[in-house]
Formats: sequence, structure tokens, C-alpha cells
Amino acid sequence: KAGVTQTPRYLIKTRGQQVTLSCSPISGHRSVSWYQQTPGQGLQFLFEYFSETQRNKGNFPGRFSGRQFSNSRSEMNVSTLELGDSALYLCASSTSSPYEQYFGPGTRLTVT
Amino acid sequence: GQQVMQIPQYQHVQEGEDFTTYCNSSTTLSNIQWYKQRPGGHPVFLIQLVKSGEVKKQKRLTFQFGEAKKNSSLHITATQTTDVGTYFCAGGSSNTGKLIFGQGTTLQVKP
Repeated sequence: KAGVTQTPRYLIKTRGQQVTLSCSPISGHRSVSWYQQTPGQGLQFLFEYFSETQRNKGNFPGRFSGRQFSNSRSEMNVSTLELGDSALYLCASSTSSPYEQYFGPGTRLTVT
Repeated sequence: GQQVMQIPQYQHVQEGEDFTTYCNSSTTLSNIQWYKQRPGGHPVFLIQLVKSGEVKKQKRLTFQFGEAKKNSSLHITATQTTDVGTYFCAGGSSNTGKLIFGQGTTLQVKP
């Protein structure tokens, strides 16, 4: 089976812009979770989608949003980018939460 | 809310020494998972424990889930340079469907 894929792998944006990140889960996985990883902050949970519905949400501002499509692919959007949004954004898929998650390689976002 | 604390944050060991990282939850968990992230990589699932008092081994790695299902540990015997990375525990709640990650323990191994 192909693993979790994320696009793009690297992104440079300017403050105030918006960005959309994409995640394609492992075939058959219906749950997709998104995490933000910064040095010293570990893995901060953003949200989880299951069958196109947001099932859980972390403590991030409304600038962070996501969605899931009928084929389980998911997108994450960040509007009005701030310097502090620079991070590695990881998506993970699983058959369901809270079971084992398979992470993608991540999207490295740099906000200047 | 549910919190998962992991200690220590960093550990430097000499190759051949043992290493242990500990994970504690503020609430009872339905399962505990462990992940390893190599430098520059992404977290990779290692194992899941679901039963109270469960112990599982993977070669030199031993994973334990506490009797109260609130704590867990990962022990590596005779570390090797290939063990370098950050080890995360993640506590799951079947009630909420949430999986909460600990802050991770970064292991450095000196050859």
C-alpha cells in the first residue's frame, strides 16, 4: 500500500497570505488528523476528520481550518499567516481514531 | 482537559547504556501508543498497548502500560546509534476519539 502523501513538501509564504496544504491518506483509511510541529513544542493537534466530518479539534485559532473529501483526501487552510505559523505540518491517517496513525512526510511552511 | 506528560525531555547516553522514557496521563486511557521520529523525518508508529499491565517487547525495546492505564514507559536496552531520535507517547480515549501526544523525549547516543 502506498503511504500517506502530502503536498507541497515545502512552502514559503509572506505574512498575511493564506495557504492550503493537501494530504492523501492510505487507501481505506477514513480518519485524517493534522498536527503542527515546531521545535520544542512537540506535536500540537489541529483537528481530525472522519468521513468528511470534523470529529475533534485542538486549541488553534479560527484561521486554521480544514476539510475532508469523499475520497478521504484532506486539505488544511491557514488564512492571514503569521510568522509564528512557520512549522512542519504533519497529517496522519488511520482506520479510526484513537488508533495507530500513519504519518506523511509533512509540509514545511516558512512564513516571512 | 486531558494531558499527557512525558519525561525526560532530553537524554544523552553512551552507546551500550540503557534508556527509559516515561509517560503519564491525567485521565485513564483506552490505549497508549509509541512513535519514533528520526531527525528530519516524521513520526513512525512503533506499538500500541491496550490492556492494563500489558508488557510488549520489540527486540531491545520494552513497552509497559500501567495497571491503572494512566502511565506507560519505553525502555531500550543497550542503546545503539540507530536508536537516536525523538520518542513520543500518545494516549487515546475511546470516549472522545482523541489521541493526545506527549511532548516527546529526544535521545542522543554517543558512540
